[in-house]
Amino acid sequence: GAVVSQHPSWVICKSGTSVKIECRSLDFQATTMFWYRQFPKQSLMLMATSNEGSKATYEQGVEKDKFLINHASLTLSTLTVTSAHPEDSSFYICSASRRITDTQYFGPGTRLTVL
Amino acid sequence: AQTVTQSQPEMSVQEAETVTLSCTYDTSENNYYLFWYKQPPSRQMILVIRQEAYKQQNATENRFSVNFQKAAKSFSLKISDSQLGDTAMYFCAFIPLQGGSEKLVFGKGTKLTVNP
Repeated sequence: GAVVSQHPSWVICKSGTSVKIECRSLDFQATTMFWYRQFPKQSLMLMATSNEGSKATYEQGVEKDKFLINHASLTLSTLTVTSAHPEDSSFYICSASRRITDTQYFGPGTRLTVL
Repeated sequence: AQTVTQSQPEMSVQEAETVTLSCTYDTSENNYYLFWYKQPPSRQMILVIRQEAYKQQNATENRFSVNFQKAAKSFSLKISDSQLGDTAMYFCAFIPLQGGSEKLVFGKGTKLTVNP
């Protein structure tokens, strides 16, 4: 149990376009989902926390208008990178938990490359 | 500030041997969970083991066990009978259960290589 999927696993896009990444909890209801960014050889950096049916809470320094997060159901959260630029190229990982302080189960990640 | 420190950036071990990864943390909270996550080259984060701070008994999961010393704020991971598939980055993390900052705090990771 506790499987989280993420789609796509990798994406290449042109500068200025928008990219949507989906995160799904496959076998449990996720009250809370988290979005992280990971730079090469570094730890995970939390971008935002989203609770089902409410607005996401963004970490300091993360542009909420650039990284749009929607958590419309207990099994799906999406991250949309709007007007992507090369500096947005990174590895994005989502996680899901039954409640905010419970164990987080991670998706396999999405490699975004912006040309 | 709540922090997690992993003092060993890299470690290596021979297959079938035992290795211990260290982790210390700093928090003023009394109730929290501690985790070890593994990130192999595929980059999928995998939960290795979880420890509730209120439990004195050390958690174990097959070949993986922890040495949880709450007073010392130490949470080391022991891997017994190391296997080639254990090669990965290992991240120590904790999450406070109250205080308004319920976020997973990660250490910088330890890169473990299991040699044949």
